[in-house]
Amino acid sequence: TQLLEQSPQFLSIQEGENLTVYCNSSSVFSSLQWYRQEPGEGPVLLVTVVTGGEVKKLKRLTFQFGDARKDSSLHITAAQPGDTGLYLCAGCSGNTPLVFGKGTRLSVIA
Amino acid sequence: EPEVTQTPSHQVTQMGQEVILRCVPISNHLYFYWYRQILGQKVEFLVSFYNNEISEKSEIFDDQFSVERPDGSNFTLKIRSTKLEDSAMYFCASSAGLRNSPLHFGNGTRLTVT
Repeated sequence: TQLLEQSPQFLSIQEGENLTVYCNSSSVFSSLQWYRQEPGEGPVLLVTVVTGGEVKKLKRLTFQFGDARKDSSLHITAAQPGDTGLYLCAGCSGNTPLVFGKGTRLSVIA
Repeated sequence: EPEVTQTPSHQVTQMGQEVILRCVPISNHLYFYWYRQILGQKVEFLVSFYNNEISEKSEIFDDQFSVERPDGSNFTLKIRSTKLEDSAMYFCASSAGLRNSPLHFGNGTRLTVT
């Protein structure tokens, strides 16, 4: 069974601060996807990383896939209240179904 | 932008009753999925469906569950005899491809079994 561990589980920060959340596994994934989920809604895809060491930027969000394709990080610069939500990483390996981590619940306080 | 739609948004049912959760995937997508999320827990895979048949299912997806694509647009999840522990958010998703393809999720059906 492939498991994805996300840390921290909860994070509460002030507007303007930077933060990094992590997604780790002992398994190798062909790709990792990051989603954001808001209350009462389904997960919405932010990015897919495929190549080991890959870095992708989405405005103030920077995603990195580990060299060994077992882990990933999400860094947010100058967090804003609109960044509040549940950040989920999900791994794909071969043709197996997408497996999700438990998520990091981020709260950005104005 | 096309989206996955799910109905109803909230379903309350008594234990032992049958429920059908409905989904309309994105029209040109070929792969369909059901996931569930129990309150405070992670999103869990239930079943994937391709070419009018189940391609993979998890241990959660036992004989009480079934899926169907009755026509060219709808994708349904049926729970024959609901249990209290079936209470969860049920998310339908679709994707255009299989490997590495992003999933497009609906907003879910909140199922409450009393």
